[in-house]
Amino acid sequence: DAGVTQSPTHLIKTRGQQVTLRCSPISGHKSVSWYQQVLGQGPQFIFQYYEKEERGRGNFPDRFSARQFPNYSSELNVNALLLGDSALYLCASSWAVTGNMNTEAFFGQGTRLTVV
Amino acid sequence: GNSVTQMEGPVTLSEEAFLTINCTYTATGYPSLFWYVQYPGEGLQLLLKATKADDKGSNKGFEATYRKETTSFHLEKGSVQVSDSAVYFCASDNYGQNFVFGPGTRLSVLP
Repeated sequence: DAGVTQSPTHLIKTRGQQVTLRCSPISGHKSVSWYQQVLGQGPQFIFQYYEKEERGRGNFPDRFSARQFPNYSSELNVNALLLGDSALYLCASSWAVTGNMNTEAFFGQGTRLTVV
Repeated sequence: GNSVTQMEGPVTLSEEAFLTINCTYTATGYPSLFWYVQYPGEGLQLLLKATKADDKGSNKGFEATYRKETTSFHLEKGSVQVSDSAVYFCASDNYGQNFVFGPGTRLSVLP
């Protein structure tokens, strides 16, 4: 089975632009989470979706939004990009909401976003 | 909210040396605890986990024991290899919440 797939792998955008990142979870998984990993730091939680509903949101501005589609894939949108949005954006897939102790999350390889 | 603290790196060891990476957590409940590993240019891979106090997670020679009394989950390996060079993240996960990661510890193993 394919793992978590994210696209694109790399992206360069200009300040003020908008970007859309995509994630396809492992087949059968209904939950997708997004994390931002700034260089040299640990991942920070952005959103979690389960069964197409938002189940959690981290401390990120409203410029960040996401959605989950009927096939459980997900998009992360970031508007009005700032230099500080440059990071590796990771998608995690799980069969249920993470926080259930028996739920394991599988991470994709991430999308490297560079804002210039 | 929850937080995770782990020893800052980088940690540089010779092959076959003993490894310890310290991790402590703060949480209102009783979180599950995890160690994830990130190899260069890749995403995160689950290395091991423990879901309750005194549990020991183990995988690929790595071990960590959930110590509620010291709120710790230190990662250990008896004999590291060059292929273990990576960044290691300690993380906690409370019911109904999401992963909270530590800042990561970069390990370099020299031949």
